[in-house]
Amino acid sequence: GAGVSQSPRYKVAKRGQDVALRCDPISGHVSLFWYQQALGQGPEFLTYFQNEAQLDKSGLPSDRFFAERPEGSVSTLKIQRTQQEDSAVYLCASSLAGRSYEQYFGPGTRLTVT
Amino acid sequence: AQKVTQAQTEISVVEKEDVTLDCVYETRDTTYYLFWYKQPPSGELVFLIRRNSFDEQNEISGRYSWNFQKSTSSFNFTITASQVVDSAVYFCALSGTSGGGADGLTFGKGTHLIIQP
Repeated sequence: GAGVSQSPRYKVAKRGQDVALRCDPISGHVSLFWYQQALGQGPEFLTYFQNEAQLDKSGLPSDRFFAERPEGSVSTLKIQRTQQEDSAVYLCASSLAGRSYEQYFGPGTRLTVT
Repeated sequence: AQKVTQAQTEISVVEKEDVTLDCVYETRDTTYYLFWYKQPPSGELVFLIRRNSFDEQNEISGRYSWNFQKSTSSFNFTITASQVVDSAVYFCALSGTSGGGADGLTFGKGTHLIIQP
């Protein structure tokens, strides 16, 4: 079956611009996660949805970061007024039901802020 | 707080050698889950294994095996008879179950495995 897909795969933004990153999870997966991966580092948790409810946003680095999953399927991560330190790969993952289950990751969106 | 330590930043071996990737974790949860993921040069994280804290049986899947030792808080990964296609960054990750921690996985920094032909 289809895996997790993300778009765009690459995004270049000028500092100060807003960006929106999209994630399509595996069909039927209740849980959706966003991670940020800096170069040479492991992914770091940003936020977690169960269906349309955002149950944990403790990892969002600032109030410029906002995520939504209005219909419990597709999710969007939005970054307002991008800064250079936002440059990273943004990974989306989905799981059957919660953090105890294995998460399946998408290919990521590489964001470069110039 | 949860923590995963992968002390080996990079390992380089010649094809057909066996190699073990170390993972040490810290958690206050009594029930937790451990994972290994592979990240090849293409960048996509590939799930390899999930283990819960009550199951200390070692697992073997083809050339891959995992050794979970609760007494030393370790969950090591061994590749037998390594192949060039095994070259990738490997991540160990932890998920707790208590309400106090973040709901996502806590990853180690990864071990870059290079298999030379």
